[in-house]
Amino acid sequence: EPEVTQTPSHQVTQMGQEVILRCVPISNHLYFYWYRQILGQKVEFLVSFYNNEISEKSEIFDDQFSVERPDGSNFTLKIRSTKLEDSAMYFCASSELDIAKNIQYFGAGTRLSVL
Amino acid sequence: DQQVKQNSPSLSVQEGRISILNCDYTNSMFDYFLWYKKYPAEGPTFLISISSIKDKNEDGRFTVFLNKSAKHLSLHIVPSQPGDSAVYFCAATFRSSTSGTYKYIFGTGTRLKVLA
Repeated sequence: EPEVTQTPSHQVTQMGQEVILRCVPISNHLYFYWYRQILGQKVEFLVSFYNNEISEKSEIFDDQFSVERPDGSNFTLKIRSTKLEDSAMYFCASSELDIAKNIQYFGAGTRLSVL
Repeated sequence: DQQVKQNSPSLSVQEGRISILNCDYTNSMFDYFLWYKKYPAEGPTFLISISSIKDKNEDGRFTVFLNKSAKHLSLHIVPSQPGDSAVYFCAATFRSSTSGTYKYIFGTGTRLKVLA
């Protein structure tokens, strides 16, 4: 069964460093998403992406964040200058359609630890 | 403010019995409600959904009930099995007025433990 893959599974970085989290969505999917989950809290929407541009972003997705689909298969989330509060689990998701019954398929996540 | 709440962080149930996971929401404009299951070290996986115009949807051992007047939905698992032990997230979808695309709002999750 097709799946969304994310690398790395765990990223440790120093505060102020740049990190890039990588995702390979399901190949025929057109809509891509990033979410984060801070330990013990709910899964929060960060950004959605369609047709090579951001569809929507949350308040969390400030100028430190950017997304890119560099080569038609990868979908990346970059954090330019990491802060301690960026420590969280980051999930990538993709979906085939944009409808009300919108099943999103999630990767296993990247745990980001900012020291 | 669009909120989805799962007020029980954890639930333990004996194998073979019914598991009932609850979710409350505040926005009447949600179109669909979905339940996702998450095992450790894996991403959330879709389990079952229900349209906001329905009150029940059943798929095998899983049934979701929607009470629109109470803004409440529940997931019933009968009979519960040890393999059902996971974190269950309730999610709601709505069309964003900003982008016109559909967005998810997740609850905080309920950790279900089915005891053998």
